Amino acid sequence: SYDLTQPLSVSVAPGQTATITCGGDNIETKNVQWYQQMPGQAPVMVIYRDAIRPSGIPERFSGSNSGNTATLTISRAQAEDEADYFCQVWDTTTVVFGPGTHVTVL
Amino acid sequence: EVQLVQSGAEVRKPGESLKISCQGSGDSFTRFWIGWVRQMPGKGLEWLGFIFPENSDTRYSPSFQGQVTISADRSITTVYLQWTRLQASDTAIYYCARSHIPVDPHFDSWGHGTPVTVSS
Repeated sequence: SYDLTQPLSVSVAPGQTATITCGGDNIETKNVQWYQQMPGQAPVMVIYRDAIRPSGIPERFSGSNSGNTATLTISRAQAEDEADYFCQVWDTTTVVFGPGTHVTVL
Repeated sequence: EVQLVQSGAEVRKPGESLKISCQGSGDSFTRFWIGWVRQMPGKGLEWLGFIFPENSDTRYSPSFQGQVTISADRSITTVYLQWTRLQASDTAIYYCARSHIPVDPHFDSWGHGTPVTVSS
């Protein structure tokens, strides 16, 4: 099975940049999605295919993927960005999610 | 735009059966793949499988094959997730989510989630 690793938590000051990583063996060969989940709510896709931002997602969310690490970057972080973030890939015949990273904006 | 509306919270005892639903509205519901994702209390996301309601083509995660059944009724644009014998470990929130493709999917629309509690 294919394993994804994420830091348990990331802290960022308002207005600064948060970087969330998603590690996997040669992950650069896979398309990576990122989902934001607010407490008590369903996940929302914020990035797909490594770096594409869906309609309605703020420009401060961006993604990249290289080597063994995919990255979600939140620029000019706002209080409303405090949430859990999950990466996701497709491996052979299975959807795989990362364990999630809690982002705190303080 | 497709909206996914899920059935309400459920409480069952171990060994009981359960079927929860996800109804789609909007254009072309039956031409998308609808997946189910589990989130156990305080935990991450796990993919159970998905179905193409147009012809009921179904794909399961190896981890959940044989544990659950995914089905669809295209006439009422509804997808189901079913258990025949629940266990306490099935306690979780279950989300349905839409993908345009079954290979290398991404889920661009999600239901609000159905909490399932299994307790004696």
